[in-house]
Amino acid sequence: KQEVTQIPAALSVPEGENLVLNCSFTDSAIYNLQWFRQDPGKGLTSLLLIQSSQREQTSGRLNASLDKSSGRSTLYIAASQPGDSATYLCAVSYLQGAQKLVFGQGTRLTINP
Amino acid sequence: DTEVTQTPKHLVMGMTNKKSLKCEQHMGHRAMYWYKQKAKKPPELMFVYSYEKLSINESVPSRFSPECPNSSLLNLHLHALQPEDSALYLCASNLRTSGNYEQYFGPGTRLTVT
Repeated sequence: KQEVTQIPAALSVPEGENLVLNCSFTDSAIYNLQWFRQDPGKGLTSLLLIQSSQREQTSGRLNASLDKSSGRSTLYIAASQPGDSATYLCAVSYLQGAQKLVFGQGTRLTINP
Repeated sequence: DTEVTQTPKHLVMGMTNKKSLKCEQHMGHRAMYWYKQKAKKPPELMFVYSYEKLSINESVPSRFSPECPNSSLLNLHLHALQPEDSALYLCASNLRTSGNYEQYFGPGTRLTVT
């Protein structure tokens, strides 16, 4: 079964810290992995897309890595700010069933001033 | 322009009402999606349209009726809903359903069924 798992479910850190969010997936046959941010009651904002042939992608203070062989991705946030508080979702597009994104349950991140 | 728009932002409807949700994108995407999201849960896929044809229906009750009148527009018609259908309804699009493409989401419609 194609699954995506995110750990931890919730994380609270002081402002300024660097942090890592984790995502694991069960099948290495993927097109890509996408990290999203969701603020309460809002839609999903795409942060980074990593294609299966890539090892990492960077956007500003965000860096996402992909290790297909171990079925893992991490989202690294540098110098966290209160505005980074949100739920972060990772989603995998598997080669089989590529019409669907398979989502993890998300990590609720709180950055304390 | 990487924007997916949805209207209305909020909708309150009774169980006997008929209403519609609308989604629009002008990115030339040929794959469009409806998701339902309950609080503190990830989005659940409802329908997928590929080149204006329904390609996936995730066993959604018939009180939800999707429509894709053209390549830019996606509707979700609602009729005789139940209170448990209250949720955030998200529309998304990408270039095509299969392949290495980024999926873009709209801001959602918050639906309350009374």
